[in-house]
Amino acid sequence: DTAVSQTPKYLVTQMGNDKSIKCEQNLGHDTMYWYKQDSKKFLKIMFSYNNKELIINETVPNRFSPKSPDKAHLNLHINSLELGDSAVYFCASSQLRSTDTQYFGPGTRLTVL
Amino acid sequence: DAKTTQPPSMDCAEGRAANLPCNHSTISGNEYVYWYRQIHSQGPQYIIHGLKNNETNEMASLIITEDRKSSTLILPHATLRDTAVYYCIALGGLSTDKLIFGTGTRLQVFP
Repeated sequence: DTAVSQTPKYLVTQMGNDKSIKCEQNLGHDTMYWYKQDSKKFLKIMFSYNNKELIINETVPNRFSPKSPDKAHLNLHINSLELGDSAVYFCASSQLRSTDTQYFGPGTRLTVL
Repeated sequence: DAKTTQPPSMDCAEGRAANLPCNHSTISGNEYVYWYRQIHSQGPQYIIHGLKNNETNEMASLIITEDRKSSTLILPHATLRDTAVYYCIALGGLSTDKLIFGTGTRLQVFP
């Protein structure tokens, strides 16, 4: 029944590894987002996809690559993880635009050791 | 950068109204005022939004000044579960517009 779900909830890994975070929404929305919340609690958008097409791409290292196999899924793959990647990552979705209500997932806490 | 400014923290007694102010003096004509909140360790949650008129829903009321330079979110009967960080965000309607979360107001509701 969860509208926006993310897996895993917690992810602990070593520097240099590659990892993925999965996101799924069952709301029938066309647009999905990835946000990053750092240790100082600043929440910033990273990417936005509309119907599998990249709409927003903030200044994010190339090591981060979003992948949208279909409009209900937006996965985040991270290569060569660094200490500074440690954060909570939130997935969200909205009907169409950013101005439509965004529904957020529960977050994935990534810790890079 | 966020286009809004909010006090960093506020307290409110349980059962009383919580009035959270937000300044957005540079808001443009086509930008709405949105409010989201983030309860500890959870994803942000939409509360309400408005353009010019006051708005009310089951969660809160939004009062926007006539000049649109400021607004107030009102939680009419605050409960302990309303303890959260509240974000006021100015957002337009372009496809490339995005939610820009500032530092928000940390509301502490006490018994």
